[in-house]
Amino acid sequence: QKEVEQDPGPLSVPEGAIVSLNCTYSNSAFQYFMWYRQYSRKGPELLMYTYSSGNKEDGRFTAQVDKSSKYISLFIRDSQPSDSATYLCAMSPQGAQKLVFGQGTRLTINP
Amino acid sequence: EPEVTQTPSHQVTQMGQEVILRCVPISNHLYFYWYRQILGQKVEFLVSFYNNEISEKSEIFDDQFSVERPDGSNFTLKIRSTKLEDSAMYFCASGGDQPQHFGDGTRLSIL
Repeated sequence: QKEVEQDPGPLSVPEGAIVSLNCTYSNSAFQYFMWYRQYSRKGPELLMYTYSSGNKEDGRFTAQVDKSSKYISLFIRDSQPSDSATYLCAMSPQGAQKLVFGQGTRLTINP
Repeated sequence: EPEVTQTPSHQVTQMGQEVILRCVPISNHLYFYWYRQILGQKVEFLVSFYNNEISEKSEIFDDQFSVERPDGSNFTLKIRSTKLEDSAMYFCASGGDQPQHFGDGTRLSIL
């Protein structure tokens, strides 16, 4: 079983839709959960950062962590064409330790 | 907003040659990292560096690789004798108490 699994997509939705992106993981030691956005030929850009279980909201973005199910989600409300990118989940046991990444989901928002 | 900067953006090297990739981490960060992303694959951890020594490394980070913080601002990755399979995007990141922030990467092409 892969340590972090993420559906690579591609996922294509109309502008204004709510987008749901997900990752599952197998290592119960993970406590720090990140979502990064990556545009073509650019580095991962930190979007959301969550410690342990629960929800975190930042503008149009909401991150959810369910440690009992080993499942994390990122929701994007009122999606915009500028949200078109690859979204990477990443996680680590401790804050300064190595990140383990998912495959990334390629998202396209159609005007 | 402070950012991680990497140079060069693209490096083309003959197989067997040495290459040095350079990074300037965010100034108040204490942990430094190198990751790589082979085309179409996940972002993979290579090495982390704290307090002037390697704190963690992956199986990929063998004797051909080394890291150095030669002064108070730069962080380098050296590959001693490059192989075709070293062709990838190499990302530098910095963090610690803060979540990891990434540079835009160096695309390394081995001929």
